[in-house]
Amino acid sequence: SQTIHQWPATLVQPVGSPLSLECTVEGTSNPNLYWYRQAAGRGLQLLFYSVGIGQISSEVPQNLSASRPQDRQFILSSKKLLLSDSGFYLCAWRTGQLNSPLHFGNGTRLTVT
Amino acid sequence: AQTVTQSQPEMSVQEAETVTLSCTYDTSESDYYLFWYKQPPSRQMILVIRQEAYKQQNATENRFSVNFQKAAKSFSLKISDSQLGDAAMYFCVYNAGNMLTFGGGTRLMVKP
Repeated sequence: SQTIHQWPATLVQPVGSPLSLECTVEGTSNPNLYWYRQAAGRGLQLLFYSVGIGQISSEVPQNLSASRPQDRQFILSSKKLLLSDSGFYLCAWRTGQLNSPLHFGNGTRLTVT
Repeated sequence: AQTVTQSQPEMSVQEAETVTLSCTYDTSESDYYLFWYKQPPSRQMILVIRQEAYKQQNATENRFSVNFQKAAKSFSLKISDSQLGDAAMYFCVYNAGNMLTFGGGTRLMVKP
């Protein structure tokens, strides 16, 4: 069966520090991968998605970036965090089929101080 | 761009009663899928139910069912025999390609 791992679960970082959140999927090949951000009590904002290695689509211009160095690995990064980067980050995967739902990781709660 | 609107920021229901959460969407596509996700306080996103646009029959999963009105672009979720564990944020989601569009969510409270 397929599983998705996302870490760390919680992170507290000072303003201006770098960020690296990692997500890996097991049990499937060539998944579509997604990074979402969720503010407290709000909906999900799509940040990046990828349909293949090295293919990254950005939906929101900001100081975050994403990379997909391997088929089942998706990394969210920042060189210098801002206070506004605080939030709950969710990684998700799905197959390329239209009827495929998103399968989410457990999320990372990021607090920038 | 597609938009998904959940007009009820909060809803409450008495335990064992029935509640309906509303969702409307805007699209020019004819083939697409719709989903409802549940996010309990643990913040884990859980798939509740899905609906194919080409199917007229409404999807049902145990106590959860949908009322899909394609012409009206409406996709409501009905929860029957509400339980305390149903308390959560519920998100309506539209998909017609690689990007899935989320509604703003409805917070459901269940009163014992």
